[in-house]
Amino acid sequence: QIRLQQSGPGVVKPSQTLSLICAVSGDTLSNTSATWNWVRHSPSRGLEWLGRTLYRSHQWHTDYALSVESRITVNPDTSKNQFSLHLNSVTPDDTAVYFCARERDWAGIAHWSQGALVTVSS
Amino acid sequence: DIQMTQSPSSLSASLGDRVTITCRASQGIGNRLSWYQHAPGRIPKLLVYEASILESGVPSRFSASGSGTDFTLTISSLQPEDVATYYCQKYNVDPLTFGGGTKVEIK
Repeated sequence: QIRLQQSGPGVVKPSQTLSLICAVSGDTLSNTSATWNWVRHSPSRGLEWLGRTLYRSHQWHTDYALSVESRITVNPDTSKNQFSLHLNSVTPDDTAVYFCARERDWAGIAHWSQGALVTVSS
Repeated sequence: DIQMTQSPSSLSASLGDRVTITCRASQGIGNRLSWYQHAPGRIPKLLVYEASILESGVPSRFSASGSGTDFTLTISSLQPEDVATYYCQKYNVDPLTFGGGTKVEIK
């Protein structure tokens, strides 16, 4: 059974870095038929895909949404079978419920973490 | 960057009604499209992938079709548990953009 368990602070101050970790069980990050994603939801924006990491051709790749491309980093940690999100220079507009999620190649995102509200506030 | 536009943004229908949601891509994406149901306070649920393949366990009242730029999700007989916001998402190439969502309510 594939499970994604995320952790991280619930409040981040403006201009600081939002950092979350997603621990994966039941699969390995280096699975070449999966990608590892970060998605957020806010009432004003709905679901917003942020970025992902994936292992292909013996190396790690990352893809990012244009809206956050200059501020985001998604990193795999194969020793702990987890991946992270770092979003810097946050503003109150980054307040959202953040999810980590597993996408199957060409078959959608079937596995999600429970999600966690991250509030950007001083 | 390919944009995904859903319509309507919201709808209200009676129990048992047939409901259709449309998703349009600004460029062709083949059949690389999925649909999700996101109920308040719940995690998003995958309903459909490859534009028309129903995910295992999804009720048969849901169906989907389309390719290229125009896609539809249909609920043949609206049920109380279908109240949610529905999103399409493209995945042909990155970024994996979501549509703006369609909020479905019971009249």
